[in-house]
Amino acid sequence: AQSVTQPDIHITVSEGASLELRCNYSYGATPYLFWYVQSPGQGLQLLLKYFSGDTLVQGIKGFEAEFKRSQSSFNLRKPSVHWSDAAEYFCAVAGNSGNTPLVFGKGTRLSVIA
Amino acid sequence: DGGITQSPKYLFRKEGQNVTLSCEQNLNHDAMYWYRQDPGQGLRLIYYSQIVNDFQKGDIAEGYSVSREKKESFPLTVTSAQKNPTAFYLCASSIERINTEAFFGQGTRLTVV
Repeated sequence: AQSVTQPDIHITVSEGASLELRCNYSYGATPYLFWYVQSPGQGLQLLLKYFSGDTLVQGIKGFEAEFKRSQSSFNLRKPSVHWSDAAEYFCAVAGNSGNTPLVFGKGTRLSVIA
Repeated sequence: DGGITQSPKYLFRKEGQNVTLSCEQNLNHDAMYWYRQDPGQGLRLIYYSQIVNDFQKGDIAEGYSVSREKKESFPLTVTSAQKNPTAFYLCASSIERINTEAFFGQGTRLTVV
């Protein structure tokens, strides 16, 4: 079964600084990978996804993620963080066989300071 | 507008009572899901359904029940057998396969006192 680890529970960055949120997955084959964002008390919004092809994936709100098979990682990046990016971020993985739903990591809470 | 509607947003119940959370989607999606979210625990899958009149248990199904009588609706009942029902519940749907991106509702916060 697939699993996801988000090593950082909470990250604080300054507005305008770059951001990288880490995600490591466990799955025997090439997985389907996702990043979601959640504002307090709200549902989740999809930022980007990777199924196959180019390992650098562009998403909404200026985010990107890079799939690295050798490291079993799918880290999320943003070159310049805005205060509105403060939220909780979830990485998720699914198998490519189509018979298992998404499995989510425990999330990383992002705080942005002036 | 197309989307997923969860109601109510906040729900309070006394211990020992069953309670049903509503989830409706007008996206014409085949698959629907219920996740439970607790602080620091991420999202844990309760039940999912790929087609009408069929559903499967997720990782934490004990104390919960669901039905899928219509494509648009996937209600979740939290029974008195659920030991710790206070949580944030999220409903989601996806267009076909269950391993593709899921679209989420705004959640229901259930508090049992």
